[in-house]
Amino acid sequence: GESVGLHLPTLSVQEGDNSIINCAYSNSASDYFIWYKQESGKGPQFIIDIRSNMDKRQGQRVTVLLNKTVKHLSLQIAATQPGDSAVYFCAENAGGTSYGKLTFGQGTILTVHP
Amino acid sequence: NAGVMQNPRHLVRRRGQEARLRCSPMKGHSHVYWYRQLPEEGLKFMVYLQKENIIDESGMPKERFSAEFPKEGPSILRIQQVVRGDSAAYFCASSPGTGHSYEQYFGPGTRLTVT
Repeated sequence: GESVGLHLPTLSVQEGDNSIINCAYSNSASDYFIWYKQESGKGPQFIIDIRSNMDKRQGQRVTVLLNKTVKHLSLQIAATQPGDSAVYFCAENAGGTSYGKLTFGQGTILTVHP
Repeated sequence: NAGVMQNPRHLVRRRGQEARLRCSPMKGHSHVYWYRQLPEEGLKFMVYLQKENIIDESGMPKERFSAEFPKEGPSILRIQQVVRGDSAAYFCASSPGTGHSYEQYFGPGTRLTVT
């Protein structure tokens, strides 16, 4: 079936450490992946995206890696800060449409300790 | 440039009442998506609309739920005869809709509580 899931529901790190959040997907037809950050009481905020024809994409302090062989997606946050504390969701677009019909994973809670 | 606006932010309804949730997309965006989020879960796609057209409503419950995006004014998600299971956060997202644009910008959500 089509699903996106996360290996770890919670992640605690010290300020300044690097964080890695993982995501597994099962739909090999997915052609687009996004990471969102959601703070308490707010809507999801776009972090970074990657298309299926890429393996890696870098942003400011964040890197997304895509391994299509094992259907795995990860988000790396460098020098994690307390302001990075939030729930992180991966989402996929299953393909077959020209619009973003996204399937979200369950989410990982990232807690950054000062 | 204002972001996606949703109102109300919090809505309390008794069982059997109607709930109306409004979403104003970002300026220049003509495509709207509605998602539902249950506590401690990811967002679930409900419906995708363009102005005056429902494009994909495959995630909408068959009964009691409807959505519209009129030529003028906000998009409306309407839930009739609400039940406790409808309690959730409802998020709207908009996109410009040009080309294969999957990037969506989310509003702050409406938190519906059914008592």
